[in-house]
Amino acid sequence: DAGITQSPRHKVTETGTPVTLRCHQTENHRYMYWYRQDPGHGLRLIHYSYGVKDTDKGEVSDGYSVSRSKTEDFLLTLESATSSQTSVYFCAISESSGGTVNQPQHFGDGTRLSIL
Amino acid sequence: GENVEQHPSTLSVQEGDSAVIKCTYSDSASNYFPWYKQELGKRPQLIIDIRSNVGEKKDQRIAVTLNKTAKHFSLHITETQPEDSAVYFCAVPASGYSTLTFGKGTMLLVSP
Repeated sequence: DAGITQSPRHKVTETGTPVTLRCHQTENHRYMYWYRQDPGHGLRLIHYSYGVKDTDKGEVSDGYSVSRSKTEDFLLTLESATSSQTSVYFCAISESSGGTVNQPQHFGDGTRLSIL
Repeated sequence: GENVEQHPSTLSVQEGDSAVIKCTYSDSASNYFPWYKQELGKRPQLIIDIRSNVGEKKDQRIAVTLNKTAKHFSLHITETQPEDSAVYFCAVPASGYSTLTFGKGTMLLVSP
């Protein structure tokens, strides 16, 4: 299995508080992704990174920010958490080359986030 | 962006039967088509993928077929077993080709 660690695995917090989720990889892959998974919606891309300090928005980026200061770490921050951001968050990595998705994405074990 | 439709949303079969899940996409330039399996409470795991230069790929009881003209690809599982019960997702490259767009998933239930 790909070396991907997500932390925390579970978190409960209150509306309005900031939350940061961490994804750490040991594979030295260039691409890292954050998804959220909700019933009926499958996996939706929040943000992704194609290198250190290089990030871009995905389909559902509003209310989220990301940072990547090292190859191995990709952080997802909810600036002011809302109940609509209650979800399961998955990190994924890929060693896509040439800017095209021609290599598989491998997923971490997920973070279950509940916002009350 | 890329539009992916996955059918059916649920599929119930008896053990030993075959199961087929189909995805259609809109961007004719898409060139990579993975399938993921997600068991309850677990992470999605890649089970098979195909690139646009081939029409079919097999790995034991699973296979993927690709019809680029019609812009659809399908996952075939033969001799289904209860442990095949899971949610299956297809995906295609999104516009710009550095990300994937996922289908909404198919819940497969294999009854003994």
